[in-house]
Amino acid sequence: GNSVTQMEGPVTLSEEAFLTINCTYTATGYPSLFWYVQYPGEGLQLLLKATKADDKGSNKGFEATYRKETTSFHLEKGSVQVSDSAVYFCALEDNFNKFYFGSGTKLNVKP
Amino acid sequence: EAGVTQFPSHSVIEKGQTVTLRCDPISGHDNLYWYRRVMGKEIKFLLHFVKESKQDESGMPNNRFLAERTGGTYSTLKVQPAELEDSGVYFCASSQLTPTGRDNEQFFGPGTRLTVL
Repeated sequence: GNSVTQMEGPVTLSEEAFLTINCTYTATGYPSLFWYVQYPGEGLQLLLKATKADDKGSNKGFEATYRKETTSFHLEKGSVQVSDSAVYFCALEDNFNKFYFGSGTKLNVKP
Repeated sequence: EAGVTQFPSHSVIEKGQTVTLRCDPISGHDNLYWYRRVMGKEIKFLLHFVKESKQDESGMPNNRFLAERTGGTYSTLKVQPAELEDSGVYFCASSQLTPTGRDNEQFFGPGTRLTVL
């Protein structure tokens, strides 16, 4: 079946550090891949997405590349800010428009 | 434009009681989804409405859960009777219908945190 696995948190970084949050998936067919972010007290917001292999999604300095050969969609940012502190969810959408989410990774960025 | 809203934001009930969660999607969004996140685990799909019809309810855990979307606008999710394992955060999301049905962004509400004691 379809599933998403992402690294457990929390991840604690200092401001301006490099961020990687790993995400791998299992899916049949040709899924689309997403990263959602949940800031404290708010709902999930779409951060970026990629709809086919080798696509790179990017937004707000974050990026992730759809790697079919490694079934991965790792999230990266070159220099994190305190305001990036949030919970990040990796997700896939299957051929039937159904979403599968990972367990979320909490990021804490210290000044 | 108002986003997806959910009510209440928190609910604490005792085992055996009934709770009804409400979701108001973004106006004009025909797709409405319910998800649940239990104890910091993955967010799991519960069901999907297209307008007032249940498109997919394969994620509903058991018959204690009843979702409705009368008139195709807001939706309610009733848990009756509630059990301890129902505790978690219930998210609602909505999206527009697209010709392919794919890649349409889901907009999420802030969630309702349900605690069953």
